[in-house]
Amino acid sequence: QQQVKQSPQSLIVQKGGISIINCAYENTAFDYFPWYQQFPGKGPALLIAIRPDVSEKKEGRFTISFNKSAKQFSLHIMDSPPGDSATYFCAATGNQFYFGTGTSLTVIP
Amino acid sequence: GAVVSQHPSWVICKSGTSVKIECRSLDFQATTMFWYRQFPKQSLMLMATSNEGSKATYEQGVEKDKFLINHASLTLSTLTVTSAHPEDSSFYICSATRGVAGGIVAGELFFGEGSRLTVL
Repeated sequence: QQQVKQSPQSLIVQKGGISIINCAYENTAFDYFPWYQQFPGKGPALLIAIRPDVSEKKEGRFTISFNKSAKQFSLHIMDSPPGDSATYFCAATGNQFYFGTGTSLTVIP
Repeated sequence: GAVVSQHPSWVICKSGTSVKIECRSLDFQATTMFWYRQFPKQSLMLMATSNEGSKATYEQGVEKDKFLINHASLTLSTLTVTSAHPEDSSFYICSATRGVAGGIVAGELFFGEGSRLTVL
């Protein structure tokens, strides 16, 4: 059973565009929600994370929106350069770490 | 953030041989390390959780005799793929946490760079 559902599977945006990736979870025991960025042939790297006591967190061009009642959270990427092309994974942690299925983002120059 | 080093970054071996992959936490003590396998364009699949000084806990469907995990110190875990076959070819990634043994300190999960294994 997929603990964290992520969509879309892939996304193509123009340079300077906005990307939104969504994740949903069921287990209310999850208490930390990180996003990871992974380039081909590399391990995932922590991008930004949020706890359920806040509804939004912004770091540079990356913003997490968190809706506790709906058990959903999303990553907004603003003003993307081609270098943002990567796979993005959401995750949720409680006693274990659960990853979403990933979103492949392509930023067209 | 903390640094996790994984070695080798890629390895090619013949079918039937064994391959060892090392995962080191360079600037912190990792009480718990995790090993993942990732197929192309797919998410990370947790293979096993290893705690320093104890036997690894394997996920359902992962053969513990094929994928030997040793976590001999607080900074080193190794994954040995024994009698490798072409279907074992994959991208293997480790991660480490400073959390207490068996648990996770939320968010403090650091990944290695991954190891690409190709079995001919």
